Amino acid sequence: EIVLTQSPGTLSLSPGEGATLSCRASQSVSRNYLAWYQQKPGQAPRLLIYGASSRATGIPDRFSGSGSGTDFTLTITRLEPEDFAVYYCQQYGTSPSFGQGTKLEIK
Amino acid sequence: QVQLQESGPGLVKPSETLSLTCTVSGYSISSGYYWGWIRQPPGKGLEWIGSIYHSGSTYYNPSLRGRVTISLDTSKNQFSLKLTSVTAADTAVYYCARSVRIFGTSIGWFDPWGQGTLVTVSS
Repeated sequence: EIVLTQSPGTLSLSPGEGATLSCRASQSVSRNYLAWYQQKPGQAPRLLIYGASSRATGIPDRFSGSGSGTDFTLTITRLEPEDFAVYYCQQYGTSPSFGQGTKLEIK
Repeated sequence: QVQLQESGPGLVKPSETLSLTCTVSGYSISSGYYWGWIRQPPGKGLEWIGSIYHSGSTYYNPSLRGRVTISLDTSKNQFSLKLTSVTAADTAVYYCARSVRIFGTSIGWFDPWGQGTLVTVSS
């Protein structure tokens, strides 16, 4: 089983700033099978990124994903008020698993 | 536009079986894709429970294997989850979601998701 560790646990930033969220895997993620989700309170997760760097339909271009192997990053440029939420990474394949989440909060 | 909606009892007694149904609209589940279940204990992270391919092949989280069954009802365009011998640790919001099939039999990312349903295990 691939274990995903996200850092930091909480990130405090102001609107307009940039955010960098990290996801590290316990072993190499094959074919960059890595997705990112955004979850707001009381809502289901929303797909942002798949294949490590491909944006899902309708996702603004201020969201970008990068990385390969065991280290992946979600970057959000110019934070908007609606971007403050919890973000999860997920590896997929034969046995999907999620990271524990990073909470992005307003400073 | 594909939409998923979970339904089922919100309260289950310990040692009993949790049963949930996901109703899909806007797409025929027999036409393709994986159909899966993910859960989230209150205030905690996400855990994949299992997925079923449109052909009926099933894949389960090893940590839950033996207690989980996922099945399709193509006549109703629904798929279901059964989790046996539940304990308080199974209290969670349960989501259903669709996944693409990628390279071989691999389960892809989850999109879209249902709104989720809270199931509490308590006597």
